[in-house]
Amino acid sequence: KNEVEQSPQNLTAQEGEFITINCSYSVGISALHWLQQHPGGGIVSLFMLSSGKKKHGRLIATINIQEKHSSLHITASHPRDSAVYICAVRYRGNEKLTFGTGTRLTIIP
Amino acid sequence: DGGITQSPKYLFRKEGQNVTLSCEQNLNHDAMYWYRQDPGQGLRLIYYSQIVNDFQKGDIAEGYSVSREKKESFPLTVTSAQKNPTAFYLCASSLQGGGYEQYFGPGTRLTVT
Repeated sequence: KNEVEQSPQNLTAQEGEFITINCSYSVGISALHWLQQHPGGGIVSLFMLSSGKKKHGRLIATINIQEKHSSLHITASHPRDSAVYICAVRYRGNEKLTFGTGTRLTIIP
Repeated sequence: DGGITQSPKYLFRKEGQNVTLSCEQNLNHDAMYWYRQDPGQGLRLIYYSQIVNDFQKGDIAEGYSVSREKKESFPLTVTSAQKNPTAFYLCASSLQGGGYEQYFGPGTRLTVT
């Protein structure tokens, strides 16, 4: 069964800390997505990547295809970064996305 | 502004009633999706449509129905056959199916009692 595992499930940190959220998957993929879900429920797409690294502001996403692993980093974390971060992958030969259960991040001022 | 709208934000229904959730997009996207989110679980795909007048079942289609009569609209009906309908429902769209980025609506929280 193709699954997506995220760790940690919950993460609490002080404002300013460097944050890392991890995602691992089981077989070859075409693309990996990082999504952000705020308390109201709406979801925003942060990154879509299939190799290497992408950066947007204080957010950095990396993927290691050989190890089947991706990380989402947040530098200089801020309370407004508090949200659930969701990893999703599209396995090769499959049109659909498979989602992880999310990492709940809380940044304390 | 371009985007996806879902209405209403909160919906309450009595058991045994069918209910239709609205999803509209003005992004000119071909593909649209319906997901269900339950606490502690990842999003699960209910139905998706890659083109007008065509749609496919996702992983948990039982008890749900959809239509795609217009490119902009992809309503989801939760029927009385759905055993556990209380959940958060998210609609999404993408330029085309498969490898394109998906854009999500704000979601509808359905409570059935």
